[in-house]
Amino acid sequence: SQTIHQWPATLVQPVGSPLSLECTVEGTSNPNLYWYRQAAGRGLQLLFYSVGIGQISSEVPQNLSASRPQDRQFILSSKKLLLSDSGFYLCAWALSDTQYFGPGTRLTVL
Amino acid sequence: SQQGEEDPQALSIQEGENATMNCSYKTSINNLQWYRQNSGRGLVHLILIRSNEREKHSGRLRVTLDTSKKSSSLLITASRAADTASYFCATDGMFSGGYNKLIFGAGTRLAVHP
Repeated sequence: SQTIHQWPATLVQPVGSPLSLECTVEGTSNPNLYWYRQAAGRGLQLLFYSVGIGQISSEVPQNLSASRPQDRQFILSSKKLLLSDSGFYLCAWALSDTQYFGPGTRLTVL
Repeated sequence: SQQGEEDPQALSIQEGENATMNCSYKTSINNLQWYRQNSGRGLVHLILIRSNEREKHSGRLRVTLDTSKKSSSLLITASRAADTASYFCATDGMFSGGYNKLIFGAGTRLAVHP
């Protein structure tokens, strides 16, 4: 069966510090991968998606970047965090219409 | 951009009662999905209904789709305290590159009291 992992689960970082969040998927090959951000009490905002290794597309301009160095690994990064980067970050994978989500990372930028 | 809009934003009921949540969307879709999110957790897929379907059931869940009104409803029957969560509808969209994506609404927060 397929599983998706995200780490860390929680993170508190100062403004201006770098960020690296990791997402890995097991039990499937060549999935589409997605990064979302969720503000408190709100819906999901799609940040990045990837249909293959090294193929990254961004939905909105922002302070973040994403990379897919391996088929089942998706990384969200920032060189310098902003206060507005705080939120709940979710990774998801899909082979067709349904997306399957990881447990999320709660990021607080102080 | 937000496609689905859930209604109500929040719903509070007693155990055993039914809970109905609605979703409206703006453009044509191929399918609509409902997801559930427990507080501080990831989303869990509940059910997918295609544009040529009008109703679908899964356990205590019943989803309807009215493409003429661009709306869907999620009914949870005989609710339990464990059903307390946020529920999101998601419609399919298209990236500029031609790949499918999901567009989520802001969700309905359901509280089921023992």
